[in-house]
Amino acid sequence: RKEVEQDPGPFNVPEGATVAFNCTYSNSASQSFFWYRQDCRKEPKLLMSVYSSGNEDGRFTAQLNRASQYISLLIRDSKLSDSATYLCVVTMDTGRRALTFGSGTRLQVQP
Amino acid sequence: ETGVTQSPTHLIKTRGQQVTLRCSSQSGHNTVSWYQQALGQGPQFIFQYYREEENGRGNFPPRFSGLQFPNYSSELNVNALELDDSALYLCASSLQGYGYTFGSGTRLTVV
Repeated sequence: RKEVEQDPGPFNVPEGATVAFNCTYSNSASQSFFWYRQDCRKEPKLLMSVYSSGNEDGRFTAQLNRASQYISLLIRDSKLSDSATYLCVVTMDTGRRALTFGSGTRLQVQP
Repeated sequence: ETGVTQSPTHLIKTRGQQVTLRCSSQSGHNTVSWYQQALGQGPQFIFQYYREEENGRGNFPPRFSGLQFPNYSSELNVNALELDDSALYLCASSLQGYGYTFGSGTRLTVV
């Protein structure tokens, strides 16, 4: 079983749509959670951290459910520029803090 | 503030050869991590260097090795290249595992 599992998609949605991505992680000791965005053939870039209380950044909302080991990302009012692969990432708060990535969910926003 | 730079950007090698990839960390960062990203997959943690010592390693064989220099730059060396080593190799610098910044990667093709 993979440590971080995501639906690979692709998710094809029209502009203006709301889309939700889900992610589950297997290690209950995981402490920090993130969503990264990766454009085609580019490096991953941090989109937002995820907290148990939930957090919002403009059109993006992230939620964490520790009991279910489940992380979500909601994108409202999708833009063409949101088309990318969204990577769910966890880390353990040891001295190392290596990032463990899911395989990513591809989003294609269409005009 | 300079970001993370990697060289070369692209590389083609023959099976059995050796390769060295280079990474300059972001100013102020003291930790360098290396990741391998195969096509259609999320990045996989190879190893991490802090204060010129390896302080964490993922599930990669010993033919993957590295160095960190006093200026926090780093090298990834891969011996006895295999076809499955073809991937995007990403370097990420951080301040002891906080505030990761990724380079744009080296795309390695093994033929």
